[in-house]
Amino acid sequence: QVQLVESGGGVVQPGRSLRLSCAASGFTFSIYNMHWVRQAPGKGLEWVAVIWSDGTVEDYADSVKGRLSVSRDNSKNTVYLQLNSLRAEDTAVYYCVVASDALDMWGQGTMVTVSP
Amino acid sequence: SYELTQPSSLSVSPGQTARVTCSGDVLAKKYGRWFQQKPGQAPVLLIYKDTKRPSGIPERFSGSSSGTTVTLTINGAQAEDEADYYCYSAADNTVIFGGGTKLTVL
Repeated sequence: QVQLVESGGGVVQPGRSLRLSCAASGFTFSIYNMHWVRQAPGKGLEWVAVIWSDGTVEDYADSVKGRLSVSRDNSKNTVYLQLNSLRAEDTAVYYCVVASDALDMWGQGTMVTVSP
Repeated sequence: SYELTQPSSLSVSPGQTARVTCSGDVLAKKYGRWFQQKPGQAPVLLIYKDTKRPSGIPERFSGSSSGTTVTLTINGAQAEDEADYYCYSAADNTVIFGGGTKLTVL
């Protein structure tokens, strides 16, 4: 079954860290760039980060640059998002996404709540 | 940077055709996609590559493209189609989203 499954979300205090995971199955994970996208409660979608298929290139939205870090392990078909120095405005559902000419997929998301 | 513009809301009666437009320069060179999102649920991909429908998506959902505009058409809208609809595209290492259209079917 072709799917993306995120995990690792939860409630965390401001300033703390969290690592999200996205496990892929049913397709050749290693050939696709992987994106992370987030959606704050009641808001639209915001692109957060991308990592190229071979892991050599990362790019980030200005709003998270320096605090979030994306990585991947192609041997485990998994992409990660490390969230550091979390702020209240990072509260959102985080989705991993494939958005290529050959494949489009969304995970079901994982909720991150930043609260004292 | 690229932007995608879609109407914030649309209202149709059951059985009518709903058309949601999405405009932006990026669509002249990159594919448009559409997803449906209901409250508290994850996005459901409806259309990819401007016009392609994933398996399992009802035939009443279709996509079209012309120049810098893509359009999602729902033929014979049903009450269950009441949801938020977002267009998006991918270019230059990023994913660009429209602001979403709230479709009301009543």
